[in-house]
Amino acid sequence: KAGVTQTPRYLIKTRGQQVTLSCSPISGHRSVSWYQQTPGQGLQFLFEYFSETQRNKGNFPGRFSGRQFSNSRSEMNVSTLELGDSALYLCASSFTSGAADTQYFGPGTRLTVL
Amino acid sequence: AQSVSQHNHHVILSEAASLELGCNYSYGGTVNLFWYVQYPGQHLQLLLKYFSGDPLVKGIKGFEAEFIKSKFSFNLRKPSVQWSDTAEYFCAVNARSDQGGKLIFGQGTELSVKP
Repeated sequence: KAGVTQTPRYLIKTRGQQVTLSCSPISGHRSVSWYQQTPGQGLQFLFEYFSETQRNKGNFPGRFSGRQFSNSRSEMNVSTLELGDSALYLCASSFTSGAADTQYFGPGTRLTVL
Repeated sequence: AQSVSQHNHHVILSEAASLELGCNYSYGGTVNLFWYVQYPGQHLQLLLKYFSGDPLVKGIKGFEAEFIKSKFSFNLRKPSVQWSDTAEYFCAVNARSDQGGKLIFGQGTELSVKP
């Protein structure tokens, strides 16, 4: 089975712009979670989608949003980019949305905000 | 609020040395516990997980972890490390009462193994 794929792998944006990141889960997985990884804050949960519905949300401002499509692919959007949004954004998929289900991570999208 | 604490930021060992990485979590309810590893240039991979049952769990590549409920700990061990174990290791917790799969991660421990 192919793993979780994320596109693009690298992005450079300037402050004030917006960006959309894409994630394709493992075939058959219906849950997609997003995480932000930075050297200072580590790995932080952004949100989770299951069957096109947001199931859980982390403590991030409203500039961070996401959605999931009927084929389980997910996108996350960051509007009005700030320098502090520079990070590795990771997507993880799991078969269900259950707490006991294992999440499998993609390679991430490296976002640099100038 | 839940939190996860990893005791060591950077550990340096020689090959064949034994490894123990500490992980403690803060949460009053029932949790699922995970160790993930991130090799240089690669994505996060699951090493092992604990959901219930035997508190001593075995994972891939000879790693094991022990869940001690009274100590809120889930320490990772390996009897003899190899150079290829050089990586960053993350402990993560998922509270069963939460809706869905929100993982709370520790800050990570960077392991350097000298050949």
